[in-house]
Amino acid sequence: AAGVIQSPRHLIKEKRETATLKCYPIPRHDTVYWYQQGPGQDPQFLISFYEKMQSDKGSIPDRFSAQQFSDYHSELNMSSLELGDSALYFCASSFSAGSRIMNTEAFFGQGTRLTVV
Amino acid sequence: DAKTTQPTSMDCAEGRAANLPCNHSTISGNEYVYWYRQIHSQGPQYIIHGLKNNETNEMASLIITEDRKSSTLILPHATLRDTAVYYCIVRVPNQAGTALIFGKGTTLSVSS
Repeated sequence: AAGVIQSPRHLIKEKRETATLKCYPIPRHDTVYWYQQGPGQDPQFLISFYEKMQSDKGSIPDRFSAQQFSDYHSELNMSSLELGDSALYFCASSFSAGSRIMNTEAFFGQGTRLTVV
Repeated sequence: DAKTTQPTSMDCAEGRAANLPCNHSTISGNEYVYWYRQIHSQGPQYIIHGLKNNETNEMASLIITEDRKSSTLILPHATLRDTAVYYCIVRVPNQAGTALIFGKGTTLSVSS
């Protein structure tokens, strides 16, 4: 079965540079979530999108932005990178089916490991 | 979302059942209990979820107390590959786009 695809898998950037992470959800999934996981930390929710609109917001820095496109893929843009941004970034997708309340679980990608030097 | 409390770590012998507890005393009537796990540096993996009835799937069983203030995830025959951090999360199911919030999970170590 198709899974959530994240690219790139690894990325090395210098301080103050920008980075763009991409996420391709499972086909027919309409919701995308972004998480950041620092070394030894639990995943921290950043932001989510449902049907191309921001649906929930967590601890996403102002230097970061994200969007979901018409084909439902999502990109996380990170500017003015800092050493502390070094982390694993996970994307997850789920099927929300509009306003219906459904017991759908979220499926996670394998993550992008960002290293800021 | 209701807060959950889990033990920091647990050990289990290979082949034995692993019983992972979770307290969620402030759970509200429309919140479900979800369990995810994360094997080292991999993306979190969905295990099971439930509202008030016990649930079972090919991976695990979920036992929720009658008052719904606590639950137990059971891995019936733990293997070395079950070594992971297990997260208990309580949330209203899928209000379109609302996120899973990960707290402090339980590190399960399965040994031979």
